[in-house]
Amino acid sequence: DQQVKQNSPSLSVQEGRISILNCDYTNSMFDYFLWYKKYPAEGPTFLISISSIKDKNEDGRFTVFLNKSAKHLSLHIVPSQPGDSAVYFCAARASGTYKYIFGTGTRLKVLA
Amino acid sequence: DTAVSQTPKYLVTQMGNDKSIKCEQNLGHDTMYWYKQDSKKFLKIMFSYNNKELIINETVPNRFSPKSPDKAHLNLHINSLELGDSAVYFCASSQDLTGPQPQHFGDGTRLSIL
Repeated sequence: DQQVKQNSPSLSVQEGRISILNCDYTNSMFDYFLWYKKYPAEGPTFLISISSIKDKNEDGRFTVFLNKSAKHLSLHIVPSQPGDSAVYFCAARASGTYKYIFGTGTRLKVLA
Repeated sequence: DTAVSQTPKYLVTQMGNDKSIKCEQNLGHDTMYWYKQDSKKFLKIMFSYNNKELIINETVPNRFSPKSPDKAHLNLHINSLELGDSAVYFCASSQDLTGPQPQHFGDGTRLSIL
């Protein structure tokens, strides 16, 4: 049972445009969400997070939006740069637990 | 200055062998994790230790045994390796358990069973 889903395995975007990566979840007990970026042959690196008490968190070119009623979060990258080309994972943690559940990732390719 | 380092980076071995993967973090974190990323790219938690104490033990065959000699190290020993153990294994750490926190990952160990 996959509690965190990233339904788009890949996405291509022109440099300078907005990249929108989506993530859906099924567990209403999730209260903390993170996005990680992963380059080939490296481990995931933390990008941005959001608590369930908020609906938006921004850090530079990266903004995460959370829609609790739809159980959906998205990562916006504006403007997209070629160096953003990587696999992006969303992850979620349920209240009172220490375990993070990861999605399967979306490969973003930013075209120059 | 690698924050979370794991060795070896690649491990190729025969079925039935026993092998270990080592992980060390120099971030001063209390909590460490082992994840397995399989061929379908699922990144699944296997174990977690907090200050050398086991706090997460997912449904993993008991051929897998983690060992934390101190809070900066979490090693993974695998007995009687099987073909299905082929995967990338990631070690990670986080500050502690006081609230949700991001994890810092190593670069992974790619295990291939022949």
